[in-house]
Amino acid sequence: DAKTTQPPSMDCAEGRAANLPCNHSTISGNEYVYWYRQIHSQGPQYIIHGLKNNETNEMASLIITEDRKSSTLILPHATLRDTAVYYCIVRVASGGGADGLTFGKGTHLIIQP
Amino acid sequence: NAGVTQTPKFRILKIGQSMTLQCTQDMNHNYMYWYRQDPGMGLKLIYYSVGAGITDKGEVPNGYNVSRSTTEDFPLRLELAAPSQTSVYFCASISTLTTGNTIYFGEGSWLTVV
Repeated sequence: DAKTTQPPSMDCAEGRAANLPCNHSTISGNEYVYWYRQIHSQGPQYIIHGLKNNETNEMASLIITEDRKSSTLILPHATLRDTAVYYCIVRVASGGGADGLTFGKGTHLIIQP
Repeated sequence: NAGVTQTPKFRILKIGQSMTLQCTQDMNHNYMYWYRQDPGMGLKLIYYSVGAGITDKGEVPNGYNVSRSTTEDFPLRLELAAPSQTSVYFCASISTLTTGNTIYFGEGSWLTVV
């Protein structure tokens, strides 16, 4: 079973910030939060990851709550090309268990022109 | 680096035929994975490998076999193809030897069994 809960779909206007929530209430202390996206059946693409501090890169920002039970992916200026399914995943980043990433159904983000 | 390379990209098989999906990575990653994705669904793990010579079953291993004779290659074998194996297959790899690492995916192999 996926360790995360995400809304099945969201809409966002082009040029606005897209905020994608994720609940991971059973996250362990050594598990990171990863975000991937998949554009129309292409291979999933890495976006960002974090442990407990907020993170930002050229694609997005990741806000993790202090208790680490939820997080938000922020696409600051969404474009039509950001329309995709976004997956929030938790896992141990190094060593540890031999489990693969468990993908839920993700959030289908639709950017409206 | 080429990353994760999968071949073929598209294939049509007849019921009962066999084939191998190839996956190669040039990043010296120790972990490799095979996933399948049915239309409108998330990815499901078929098999994974934590290193050369070691493989283990994932969530949906029935009808498939894998081997990991080298660090770079992780082929997925379909024996006696069935229509239920029509899907998109993704290979992925990751290094667990450094912290904060990310998983890299191939571009997918579209398989149709008729």
